[in-house]
Formats: sequence, structure tokens, C-alpha cells
Amino acid sequence: EVQLVESGGGLVQPGGSLRLSCAASRFDFSGYWMHWVRQAPGKGLVWVSSIHSYGIGTVYADSVKGRFTISRDNAKNVLYLQMSSLRPEDTAVYYCARGDPYPDHWGQGTLVTVSS
Amino acid sequence: QAVVTQEPSLTVSPGGTVTLTCGSSTGVVTSGHYPYWYQQKPGQAPRTLIYDTTNKQSWTPARFSGSLLGGKAALTLSGAQPEDEADYYCLLSYSGARPVFGGGTKLTVL
Repeated sequence: EVQLVESGGGLVQPGGSLRLSCAASRFDFSGYWMHWVRQAPGKGLVWVSSIHSYGIGTVYADSVKGRFTISRDNAKNVLYLQMSSLRPEDTAVYYCARGDPYPDHWGQGTLVTVSS
Repeated sequence: QAVVTQEPSLTVSPGGTVTLTCGSSTGVVTSGHYPYWYQQKPGQAPRTLIYDTTNKQSWTPARFSGSLLGGKAALTLSGAQPEDEADYYCLLSYSGARPVFGGGTKLTVL
């Protein structure tokens, strides 16, 4: 069974940075697109970013472009999301998801709170 | 950016049938939008039910089915069970590999 485990969430001040990680197992990580999707408290799902299976292409939502960077380490089976210039509206649970090509298996999420 | 629309809420009786729809601000939804459907229960991560319009995951109950209906993507639940009460989200693919989620439908089984 596909396993995705996010980590790295927490409380950060506005303007700060945070790096999320997603450890993948039980599937051929390097063969799949990977995604980050977020969900603000009490709100719906919002796609954030995607990365090609070999990392040669990345796509971002307009709301995070220039502030967030998605990357992956296929040797370690880990997906990352480097977040900088964080804003209160970035507060959300962040899910990583395997893509085929769109999200089909999901992690349990990690909560990011941006507040002073 | 395209806007994907869903009914905010629907109610179905136990054993009844309900259809949730997923529309696009750009026009008719086609198989080229590769519609996905997700179920999310309170406090849980989303779970994929349907991909590429009609295809089910191995864990998708047979009572769920996906289709295109009236220019929209549709998720039909036939024989609703109490455990089907959840939020349901659709996702559509657009050019540039930027998928867009709908706002979600809160389904009540009552």
C-alpha cells in the first residue's frame, strides 16, 4: 500500500520560512508526478504545486509562485516544499499526494500555522 | 484561472440516489479535463474515488460511479449509506498542468 508521510509543519511568524517533507514508500517514487495540496481550516482543497517524476518540470499556483519551491530527491524518496515569505493566508493543512498524473494517493497532512 | 463549481450541499435519504456535479467556468467539461472525485470525512485526508471521469480505485464502493452529464462531470451515488456522509471534491485538469479543485459538496445522508 502506498505510504506518504508529511512532516515539518508548525507555527511560524509572518514573513518566515518553513520546509515541508513528504516521505514516500511502497511504490516507485521516481515514476510518478508528485503534488502539494493545502486546505485552510474549514475550507476546501486547493492545489499548490506539482513536480514531474524526474524533477525536470514544476508548476505552481499563482498564490504561491515566487514564494514556494517544490523539489524532490528520488534517491531518498522524499518530496519537499520550501515555503518562504509566509503569510497568514498560507495557514492550512498541507497534503502531499502521488499523481497519476493527478492526486490519487494522499498523505495525512501536516499543519502550517502562520501567526505572530 | 478557471473556476470549478459544485453544489455547496446536497441531502440524500438512506438507500437513495444522488448526483453531484462539477462544472467549469470555461465551458463544457469533457474527458480531456480528466475529472477526479475525492471523498473527505471530518478529520481525515481526502480519498480518491474516481479518476479520469469514470475509473474507480480499488477501494471505491460499487455504489459510486462517475460520468459526464449535461456538460459537467458527475458523481452518482446509488444506494446511499450513512457512511457516505462526507465532503466531496472534484478536480479538473487545464492546460499548463494546473489542476483546479471545485469548492466541494457537503453530502448529508438523512
